[in-house]
Amino acid sequence: EVQLLESGGGLVQPGGSLRLSCTASGFTFSSYPMYWVRQAPEKGLEWVSTITGSSDSTSYADSVRGRFTISRDNSRNTLYLQMNNLRVEDTAIYFCAKRRVVSGGPGGFDPWGQGTLVTVSS
Amino acid sequence: AIQLTQSPSSLSASVGDRVTITCRTSQGISSGLVWYQQKSGKAPELLIYDASSLGSGVPSRFSGSGFGTDFTLTISSLQPEDFATYYCQQFNTYPLTFGGGTKVEIK
Repeated sequence: EVQLLESGGGLVQPGGSLRLSCTASGFTFSSYPMYWVRQAPEKGLEWVSTITGSSDSTSYADSVRGRFTISRDNSRNTLYLQMNNLRVEDTAIYFCAKRRVVSGGPGGFDPWGQGTLVTVSS
Repeated sequence: AIQLTQSPSSLSASVGDRVTITCRTSQGISSGLVWYQQKSGKAPELLIYDASSLGSGVPSRFSGSGFGTDFTLTISSLQPEDFATYYCQQFNTYPLTFGGGTKVEIK
């Protein structure tokens, strides 16, 4: 069974930093692009970042580019999101997700982790 | 960025009803559309990918259609467990973008 488990969320002051982790199991982690998606309280979904299986390419939403860094450790089956210079508007549940199939087939996020809450407040 | 407009933003329906949700994109995306279901307090789950292909384990009462800029999610006979919020997402072009969601409530 494919499982994704996020951790690392919490309360942080504006301007602070936080590193989220997503531990994967049940599939060949290194073969799949991975994603971070966030959802502000009572709001919709927002794609945050993408990383390829080999880490040779990353993408970011404009709202986080230059402040957030996505990375992965395939030896540990773990995805990361380093978040610096956090803003109040970064407050959200952060989900990690796996690409539905390895690159080349029709895309989609499947499955998603249960999410970890990040609260940015003074 | 490609904008996705879902309609309606919410609807009330009864068990057994046929429900249709639409998603319109600001640019053509071929068949690169995905539908998700999100129940309260839970992570989203993939329902439909490639506009019309059923996700693994998804009941056959769910179906998707469309190409280019206009897409539809249909639930043929609404079940109690289908009351949730539904999101469309385009997977054709970065940045990946989502629709605003459609909340399906019990009438």
